[in-house]
Amino acid sequence: GAGVSQSPRYKVTKRGQDVALRCDPISGHVSLYWYRQALGQGPEFLTYFNYEAQQDKSGLPNDRFSAERPEGSISTLTIQRTEQRDSAMYRCASSLQGGQFFGPGTRLTVL
Amino acid sequence: GENVEQHPSTLSVQEGDSAVIKCTYSDSASNYFPWYKQELGKGPQLIIDIRSNVGEKKDQRIAVTLNKTAKHFSLHITETQPEDSAVYFCAASEGGTSYGKLTFGQGTILTVHP
Repeated sequence: GAGVSQSPRYKVTKRGQDVALRCDPISGHVSLYWYRQALGQGPEFLTYFNYEAQQDKSGLPNDRFSAERPEGSISTLTIQRTEQRDSAMYRCASSLQGGQFFGPGTRLTVL
Repeated sequence: GENVEQHPSTLSVQEGDSAVIKCTYSDSASNYFPWYKQELGKGPQLIIDIRSNVGEKKDQRIAVTLNKTAKHFSLHITETQPEDSAVYFCAASEGGTSYGKLTFGQGTILTVHP
């Protein structure tokens, strides 16, 4: 596609459930990033990949959060045993040489 | 880790005026500084970026300046138009690479009055 796509765009879940958020980067982009953005704030880094290798996961809040990119293209961010504090906009970005291009995000609401 | 401070938090200008947003960063190894524009309900859009080997970069009505000694960089928008109204974020790359983690500022809400 022309840009980064994310699905679902909205996800409502109950506390304790697992969720999987998907990111489809711009075709050919080597690097893929996950950020979380609270209302009124800038994106906060979670993790990133070069090809299929996870390069930095220092921003993942705890071990309930994990991400994978098994074939170096689509990535999935998984949150296990969701908590209300996980509610946020989750954004994916991809890049080829430096500039990161963001997708529309997934709005996660944990009830 | 990197810390990015952005000012002002809100900026209101009249159409045709200039707008300036300033950011400071803490990690002297950072060498890549992008600016993003975010409209309501949309993802951040990359509008301009600068690398540490350049002091200034221009793209039509938008320019960015970088002072590595002082560790600050600024976004300048000239001849503002109502469609420039949005939230603007600065960011810096950590660890001396343009590939990797971006640390963002807190954002500036720019309002351009017709």
